[in-house]
Amino acid sequence: GESVGLHLPTLSVQEGDNSIINCAYSNSASDYFIWYKQESGKGPQFIIDIRSNMDKRQGQRVTVLLNKTVKHLSLQIAATQPGDSAVYFCAENRRGTASKLTFGTGTRLQVTL
Amino acid sequence: NAGVTQTPKFQVLKTGQSMTLQCAQDMNHEYMSWYRQDPGMGLRLIHYSVGAGITDQGEVPNGYNVSRSTTEDFPLRLLSAAPSQTSVYFCASTRGLGQAGELFFGEGSRLTVL
Repeated sequence: GESVGLHLPTLSVQEGDNSIINCAYSNSASDYFIWYKQESGKGPQFIIDIRSNMDKRQGQRVTVLLNKTVKHLSLQIAATQPGDSAVYFCAENRRGTASKLTFGTGTRLQVTL
Repeated sequence: NAGVTQTPKFQVLKTGQSMTLQCAQDMNHEYMSWYRQDPGMGLRLIHYSVGAGITDQGEVPNGYNVSRSTTEDFPLRLLSAAPSQTSVYFCASTRGLGQAGELFFGEGSRLTVL
């Protein structure tokens, strides 16, 4: 069936290093992907998105890469900081289905000093 | 702007009781939705609305009702609570056009059903 999933449940990174969080999807009809950050006790917060007609998009300290051939996307965080410690979710949104997101199970990013 | 406001933040129910989780947004967003978050399962869509008077089912709608009488409010009703509905519930809203995936989430409502 359709799924949006993550390769690793927990990622531990030293402060200052770059982080890479991976996500796989199985629905070829998916055309829009989003990364969310969720801090403990809070709701998810939008980080960055990418449409299927792109393969890379950059934001402030974050980059999302999309590989449609292998149905894979990744979130790269440059110079990881303690404030980046959170659970990161990838989500999928198909055309015409605004607000209907399919979420992955999440990756916990732990930043060590 | 307050964004998306959910009440209550915590609630304990007995099996069979009913209750309503409130959600309000002050961003004039057309699209609103309810998700539940269970450990190890990410967020799953319960119900959503594309505008006042219009609602539809998501992935896990059984046991829940919604209505959308105004643009601002989107309450979620549990008809007869069951232990399987123990979860954290998130309400979200979005403009719906352009950045269709940029949902704005509330802080969540943690529900325990005994």
